[in-house]
Amino acid sequence: GDSVTQMEGPVTLSEEAFLTINCTYTATGYPSLFWYVQYPGEGLQLLLKATKADDKGSNKGFEATYRKETTSFHLEKGSVQVSDSAVYFCALSDQGDMRFGAGTRLTVKP
Amino acid sequence: GAVVSQHPSWVICKSGTSVKIECRSLDFQATTMFWYRQFPKQSLMLMATSNEGSKATYEQGVEKDKFLINHASLTLSTLTVTSAHPEDSSFYICSAQDGWASGSRELFFGEGSRLTVL
Repeated sequence: GDSVTQMEGPVTLSEEAFLTINCTYTATGYPSLFWYVQYPGEGLQLLLKATKADDKGSNKGFEATYRKETTSFHLEKGSVQVSDSAVYFCALSDQGDMRFGAGTRLTVKP
Repeated sequence: GAVVSQHPSWVICKSGTSVKIECRSLDFQATTMFWYRQFPKQSLMLMATSNEGSKATYEQGVEKDKFLINHASLTLSTLTVTSAHPEDSSFYICSAQDGWASGSRELFFGEGSRLTVL
């Protein structure tokens, strides 16, 4: 079945460092891809999404490009802030339900 | 975006009792809702798919008699944890789909409900 493999954490960076969180997927169809973020003590929030190959999702300085040839949807940010500390989940949806990666905990230190 | 509300946010119960969690879509109709469970520091695990007016579809390994799901209307789905035990303590999250017709396939998530069974 469809699945998502996500870079394991935790990831610890200094403020203003470059961030990459790898995500690859397997799917039989043509899924939509998502990144969700979960801040401490809060629920899931959609960070960005891409619905077809070569689409780039972006929000709050984060970007991810839907790469069908490499079945990837890596999350990047050029300069992280302390407020970006959270758990990030890569996810895909093909038939309606969402399949999540294991999550990557990011800690940004001042 | 669309709003999904879950209630209660926190619930503590004694072992052997049953707990009901509600999931409501506030500004859209959701023919399909999903229930997830999140263990500490782990990802979300899909438990079941809830379809309005029909029986829920459970994922493999999820006990349907323990986790009763009812989706009686287009805006409300409920998850009842029956005869709860400490191992049922977890964070339960629901989601609902809006915009399927547009192809976005985006899910909107509730705030989650943290269940602690003593």
